[in-house]
Amino acid sequence: DIQVTQSPSSLSASVGDRVTITCRASQSISSYLNWYQQKPGKAPKVLIYAAFNLQSGVPSRFSGSGSGTDFTLTISSLQPEDFGTYYCQQNYNTPWTFGRGTKVEIK
Amino acid sequence: QVQLQESGPGLVKPSQTLSLTCTVSGGSIASGGYYWSWVRQHPGKGLEWIGYIYRSGSTVYNPALKSRLSISVDTSQNQFSLKVNSVTVADTAVYYCARVNGYDLGYYFDYWGQGTPVTVSS
Repeated sequence: DIQVTQSPSSLSASVGDRVTITCRASQSISSYLNWYQQKPGKAPKVLIYAAFNLQSGVPSRFSGSGSGTDFTLTISSLQPEDFGTYYCQQNYNTPWTFGRGTKVEIK
Repeated sequence: QVQLQESGPGLVKPSQTLSLTCTVSGGSIASGGYYWSWVRQHPGKGLEWIGYIYRSGSTVYNPALKSRLSISVDTSQNQFSLKVNSVTVADTAVYYCARVNGYDLGYYFDYWGQGTPVTVSS
């Protein structure tokens, strides 16, 4: 199975800060990488698919980059509603696997 | 707007079968173009992909669960279902159904149910 490792596991940042979350795959996965946001008690919501494509309706402050094994999710200006846990997910091959998540807290 | 809703028992005894159904509204499974999937989340943990099914009934399962899994589809009811046999406490989780959208470079989960908690306990 392809392992995806996220870092950091948690972070605390202030409104307006630029936030970066990284995801590293155990082998090259081209651009087969998605990002999700999950709020407590809710289902995940897709933010970015295919490494850098913004899902319709998602604010433009979210962006994704990377290919191969190293990927980044960036929030350009953190907003109060951006709290939650962020997961990366590879779909290069099955079984599709998720990172362990990065919990984002607002200072 | 596509909506998915899970249903099924919230409590299952060890060694028995966990059975859940996902009802889709606002879109037709029979129309094709999407896979339909199950994902679970153990308490306080990350996400685990279980498997997916197409309208034809073709399936792909997570090998870690494959020997105990069955996913089926009923296009007439616009539903798909999950069965996990011989459950243990390790199967305690929130179970989500989700639609899988495809694109040139793969797949992603674009619509999710709200999730249903399942506890395995005697």
